[in-house]
Amino acid sequence: AQSVSQHNHHVILSEAASLELGCNYSYGGTVNLFWYVQYPGQHLQLLLKYFSGDPLVKGIKGFEAEFIKSKFSFNLRKPSVQWSDTAEYFCAVLDNQGGKLIFGQGTELSVKP
Amino acid sequence: NAGVTQTPKFQVLKTGQSMTLQCAQDMNHNSMYWYRQDPGMGLRLIYYSASEGTTDKGEVPNGYNVSRLNKREFSLRLESAAPSQTSVYFCASSGLAGTHNEQFFGPGTRLTVL
Repeated sequence: AQSVSQHNHHVILSEAASLELGCNYSYGGTVNLFWYVQYPGQHLQLLLKYFSGDPLVKGIKGFEAEFIKSKFSFNLRKPSVQWSDTAEYFCAVLDNQGGKLIFGQGTELSVKP
Repeated sequence: NAGVTQTPKFQVLKTGQSMTLQCAQDMNHNSMYWYRQDPGMGLRLIYYSASEGTTDKGEVPNGYNVSRLNKREFSLRLESAAPSQTSVYFCASSGLAGTHNEQFFGPGTRLTVL
């Protein structure tokens, strides 16, 4: 079965610091990958997604992620975080059977003003 | 479009009570999903419905039942609530099963079982 691992459970940064959140998945075939964000008290929203093509994917709010097939990784990056980026971030892979999403454990990001 | 809606937003139950969580989507999506979110465990799939008339178990189906009432609505029922079912429940929908379409999430239901 596919699985997703997010290494950082809680990241604390100051405003303007650079961000990189790790995500590794287990499946070795064709993968469809997602990053979702959940702001405090809100539902999940899509940040970005990768299906094929350019491995560097740009999403909303200045976020980007790089798909590295050889490392089974899909890390999320942002050059300069803002206080409003405080949220929980989830990496997910699309299960090829049934269209289900397999989520990682989530990374809580706290940005200090 | 309202997207994905869920009712209720909050609920407190006593052990052994039953309840149904309602979910509806107005995006004409074929597939619908129920997840539970627990601290440090991400989102885990309870049940899903790839299309109207079909339902399948996910990762953590025990203690739950679902009904795909029509294309728009997908309900989750707890027949006899247990404290271990205290969680935040999210419903989601997507355009076509097994394709690249992203999932759209509802606002969640926060359930506490005493």
